[in-house]
Amino acid sequence: DTAVSQTPKYLVTQMGNDKSIKCEQNLGHDTMYWYKQDSKKFLKIMFSYNNKELIINETVPNRFSPKSPDKAHLNLHINSLELGDSAVYFCASSQRAGENNEQFFGPGTRLTVL
Amino acid sequence: AQSVTQLDSHVSVSEGTPVLLRCNYSSSYSPSLFWYVQHPNKGLQLLLKYTSAATLVKGINGFEAEFKKSETSFHLTKPSAHMSDAAEYFCVATRGKLIFGQGTELSVKP
Repeated sequence: DTAVSQTPKYLVTQMGNDKSIKCEQNLGHDTMYWYKQDSKKFLKIMFSYNNKELIINETVPNRFSPKSPDKAHLNLHINSLELGDSAVYFCASSQRAGENNEQFFGPGTRLTVL
Repeated sequence: AQSVTQLDSHVSVSEGTPVLLRCNYSSSYSPSLFWYVQHPNKGLQLLLKYTSAATLVKGINGFEAEFKKSETSFHLTKPSAHMSDAAEYFCVATRGKLIFGQGTELSVKP
């Protein structure tokens, strides 16, 4: 199926650990995104990559480091996890960067930091 | 600064009755506007989008939204709610990046 996929779907870990979330899209899109959805369901963009280059970098702690090995993949590595990092993280992609382009979202990764 | 305000955090309707989810945006210009739906434990799906063409936009599953510049509104409507419409709905504006409203949870009673 053509889609945006994320792994893992659930991630439970201890404070201080380092973890990664992977995202892949097989839609042939140029642009990929990471969003964070907090416990109140508020969604905020974290990062955006266009053809493997970072184009949006919101005010995110530098413990969060995105990596795009190719334009079909955008992984998110988080160092020294904190309780406040608990959230659902969504990956998305769009054909191009720009405001009119529909974004396709992955199913989300629920991260719980204990 | 551009912001998006969804006026109701929760809306409850009976099956078969109309749905109205309200959204206002603040901007000095007409942005692109979207409505996304998020079903429980799922990702977001685009319902419809406005990009300065027709002001009445039709989307999937019988939803539509009307862009009213004078009221800076982009309310989402559906004539007849179905049980499967129960979900979280997000009004979204964009200026190079998506700016989400706070979300409206729609409940549909039998």
